[in-house]
Amino acid sequence: QVQLVQSGSELKKPGASVKVSCQASGYSFTTHAINWVRQAPGQGLDWMGWINTHTGKPTYAQDFTGRFVFSLDTSVGTAFLQISSLKVEDTAVYYCARESGGQDAIWFDPWGQGTLVTVSS
Amino acid sequence: SSELTQDPAVSVALGQTVRITCQGDSLRGYYATWYQQKPGQVPVLVIYGKNIRPSGIPDRFSGSSSGNTASLTITGAQAEDEADYYCKSRDRSGDHLMFGGGTKLTVL
Repeated sequence: QVQLVQSGSELKKPGASVKVSCQASGYSFTTHAINWVRQAPGQGLDWMGWINTHTGKPTYAQDFTGRFVFSLDTSVGTAFLQISSLKVEDTAVYYCARESGGQDAIWFDPWGQGTLVTVSS
Repeated sequence: SSELTQDPAVSVALGQTVRITCQGDSLRGYYATWYQQKPGQVPVLVIYGKNIRPSGIPDRFSGSSSGNTASLTITGAQAEDEADYYCKSRDRSGDHLMFGGGTKLTVL
């Protein structure tokens, strides 16, 4: 079955970096974009951006430019989210999600199980 | 507006019908997608496109749209439908996506 499996929880100090992985299985990796979504504790869903798995081109939402980098390793069907210069306010669950659809509508299915990144001194 | 606006909380009596709405200018040109998220769980796709339910989603869930408002309707709400519901669509530019703030549904 189509599945996205993310790496495990991370505890980091402010100023450090973290790299979250999202491994796809059950479909051809380069046929669907991967999106990233953040959910801070007790908050809603925040779209971070997406990466074209065919070309490797990332697109970032306005609030996620600079310290956030999307990347791929297509040889193992894996997408990555790297966050540098971590801040306490980056503490959140980060989800990857497979994108489907077209111009009129885009949907995410499935989602990864989420990776909790905790930033604390 | 470049935002999608949802009521923070809605309640419904067990077995009754509830409509959860999502307002935004971009919805005049793009469909809303709806996700259900139960506490501590991963969001689940419930409606996409022009009222399409993924496999496994009960037919009591339906979607509609009029003008700048998209709606998710649950006809005959069940206790297990208690969850947060998020709409999502493209922004006005069409280049980016955005989520609504979410609606917490309570089934009484």
